[in-house]
Parts: sequence; C-alpha cells; structure tokens
Amino acid sequence: SAVISQKPSRDICQRGTSLTIQCQVDSQVTMMFWYRQQPGQSLTLIATANQGSEATYESGFVIDKFPISRPNLTFSTLTVSNMSPEDSSIYLCSVEDRDRNYGYTFGSGTRLTVV
Amino acid sequence: GEDVEQSLFLSVREGDSSVINCTYTDSSSTYLYWYKQEPGAGLQLLTYIFSNMDMKQDQRLTVLLNKKDKHLSLRIADTQTGDSAIYFCAESIDFGNEKLTFGTGTRLTIIP
Repeated sequence: SAVISQKPSRDICQRGTSLTIQCQVDSQVTMMFWYRQQPGQSLTLIATANQGSEATYESGFVIDKFPISRPNLTFSTLTVSNMSPEDSSIYLCSVEDRDRNYGYTFGSGTRLTVV
Repeated sequence: GEDVEQSLFLSVREGDSSVINCTYTDSSSTYLYWYKQEPGAGLQLLTYIFSNMDMKQDQRLTVLLNKKDKHLSLRIADTQTGDSAIYFCAESIDFGNEKLTFGTGTRLTIIP
C-alpha cells in the first residue's frame, strides 16, 4: 500500500506564528486530503488538494488560514497560519490507495500544540 | 449533510467478541470503512465494504451492513489487549475523488 511520510510528527508553537506540515507519498496520487482531529474528536476534512489547481476547502475552513500547496503528484503541504490555542489538534494527510482497492491511507499525523 | 454516529465507549473482556456499531444517514454512501487509531498513532485501515454487500469477513474481523437501516457493525473475534484503540467508521459516496465522513469514534477498552 501507499506509504506517507508526514512531518513534523509534533510541534509546540507560539500563538501568532505559522507552521507548515509536509506530506510525501511514495507513489503518484491524484488527490490528497487534509484532515483535522481536535482533541477527543473525530476527523474533519479541511481541504482537498489536486495537483495543478487550487485546493478545495470545506465549509468553515479558508485558504488564508490554511494555505495548501500541491506542487507535484507525490507531495503537499498544509500551513496553519496565525495560530491560536484553538488550532491545537492533530493534522493528518490522506490519499486514495489504489493498491489497497478503495482504501484511503493516512499519514501518521502532526500533533500541534499552540501556547 | 452526512452524519455518522457511533457509541463513544465499549469495554470487553479479553477473549470475548467486540461489536462496534455505526449508523449513517447518507443513502448515497457507497463505500464504508473501519479505521483503527491507537494512542499517538495515525489511522490504520482495517477493512471496508461496498454498499451492495451484506457481510465481509477478514480473519478476526466481520463487517455487517444493513443498508435499509443504514447500520454498519464491526465484530472483532477473540478480542486481545492489542485491540485497545479508537475505532472509526467512515463513509464516502465515491472512491478517490470524495472525502471520507467519519463517525465520532468508539474507544474500545479490553478488560483482562
């Protein structure tokens, strides 16, 4: 199955700063998905990133706060901008995994704490 | 919009079977998944089922789907301590281009 390398695995950041999270996939994929998991909560989709076009954001998420890059078919970044403590969450990237016949594979996640 | 519900907690004795339930509202759901999240780890795909199937078995895991009632269950036979985790069901209406909508997650605790 596809292997995703996500980094950093965790970080503690000061409010008002920004953090960029990277996801590298070992195979080419069309779509990459970015999710947020707030403490004790389920996963919520932030945006879908398609190579060569602007990311599509879900309701409640905006590009100025969560800019995404997708420069090629194996790599994407998510930036959490102007952070506040409410942004403390686990952020995960995901790709469709055609090797696993309709499953989606997830990165190991970035645990972000904003102080 | 889509809504996926699970009970939050389940405790099971080691060696017994665990049954984790999930209900969803979107009748367009075509693909239904079960993911496992261990503490401090990402999500691991356990199994999936298509909406035109009633049951799928994979070693200790059995997935049952009642499409009429929009009810999905995951049965883990001979539950072991390593099965302690949060289990999420998720659904999508398509594969590849569509997001997953996740349930609230069920925390499975194994009693020795």
